[in-house]
Amino acid sequence: EAGVTQFPSHSVIEKGQTVTLRCDPISGHDNLYWYRRVMGKEIKFLLHFVKESKQDESGMPNNRFLAERTGGTYSTLKVQPAELEDSGVYFCASSQDPGGSNTGELFFGEGSRLTVL
Amino acid sequence: GNSVTQMEGPVTLSEEAFLTINCTYTATGYPSLFWYVQYPGEGLQLLLKATKADDKGSNKGFEATYRKETTSFHLEKGSVQVSDSAVYFCALSHAGRRALTFGSGTRLQVQP
Repeated sequence: EAGVTQFPSHSVIEKGQTVTLRCDPISGHDNLYWYRRVMGKEIKFLLHFVKESKQDESGMPNNRFLAERTGGTYSTLKVQPAELEDSGVYFCASSQDPGGSNTGELFFGEGSRLTVL
Repeated sequence: GNSVTQMEGPVTLSEEAFLTINCTYTATGYPSLFWYVQYPGEGLQLLLKATKADDKGSNKGFEATYRKETTSFHLEKGSVQVSDSAVYFCALSHAGRRALTFGSGTRLQVQP
């Protein structure tokens, strides 16, 4: 079974440009999460989809970030326009819906490293 | 709000040494606690977990005990191997919110 895949693995752009990151979750996983790790600091939550709906987007830093999950399958995270502080590694994770239990096991992709110059 | 604090790395050990990576947390109520590991070139993967006070999670020779009184979940291994070199993340999740709160990660380097 394929794991969570992310694309691109590394993107280098200039300040003011646009970048779109993509995440393909494990098939059948309704829950999809985006996280970000900046400069070796803690991994911070960005948002959570349940199918195509945004369940929790409290971690999105500002309106330059737009996440979508059309059809409840893959998700994209667009940064427009990118700023220097957006550099970091963006992780996507997915999980099954355990029906209210709190197992906490997320399956992560390898991450997309974004460098803004 | 919820937070997780880990010891800063990198931690460098010789093979077969004893490992402790400290983790403390701040949260209301009774969170579930986790250790995730990221090996070079791979995504994070769950290493072990504990869902209530005094529970001990264990996997691959690693252990961590949920200590409510000290709000801690320290990771231990009796004898590390070169293959354990990775970044280790402590995390918590709170009932009703599936998003995890992570610590900053601790890089472990094991030398032969």
